[in-house]
Amino acid sequence: QKEVEQNSGPLSVPEGAIASLNCTYSDRGSQSFFWYRQYSGKSPELIMSIYSNGDKEDGRFTAQLNKASQYVSLLIRDSQPSDSATYLCAVNMGPYGGSQGNLIFGKGTKLSVKP
Amino acid sequence: GAGVSQSPSNKVTEKGKDVELRCDPISGHTALYWYRQSLGQGLEFLIYFQGNSAPDKSGLPSDRFSAERTGGSVSTLTIQRTQQEDSAVYLCASSLQQKNSPLHFGNGTRLTVT
Repeated sequence: QKEVEQNSGPLSVPEGAIASLNCTYSDRGSQSFFWYRQYSGKSPELIMSIYSNGDKEDGRFTAQLNKASQYVSLLIRDSQPSDSATYLCAVNMGPYGGSQGNLIFGKGTKLSVKP
Repeated sequence: GAGVSQSPSNKVTEKGKDVELRCDPISGHTALYWYRQSLGQGLEFLIYFQGNSAPDKSGLPSDRFSAERTGGSVSTLTIQRTQQEDSAVYLCASSLQQKNSPLHFGNGTRLTVT
């Protein structure tokens, strides 16, 4: 069973703090990893993608990937109330492998940034 | 360019009626996915189309659910004899064929079965 696990939260951080969101996955052969943000009542939107071990930075967002530990994380620096949303981790578990086509989604972590 | 388009945006139907939900993917995207999301819940995979390959229907919850993708573009999700537990937001997403390609989601169809 190919799985992506996330802590459901809610994760509450004060404004200006660093929010750390974590995700583990079951398939060691996974190739690509994505973070989606979903505001309440809206569709998911892609905010970060990462394919290689290490860190990838985009503005206030940093994605971290450790394939040996099968772990991917998202750091949000200088968190703002507008970052309050559910963050979904998605993992591509092989070209056309597994169920659900290419991509397996976690259930999401709800982030709340308090002013 | 245009994103993934879904229609209708909202649908209210009576229990027992059939409904059709439409998805128009981004031009050139060969992969198309349908997901269901109940209030406060995660994404529930329903079905996946990739090019001309047989669709992956492993997520369809019952035989009342079916989907087609005609001409490799527009897809229709049909729910027959709707039940109240079918009430949810139905999300369509598309992507390029490449394995590293992310999904682009439509705005969803909110289905309410009364």
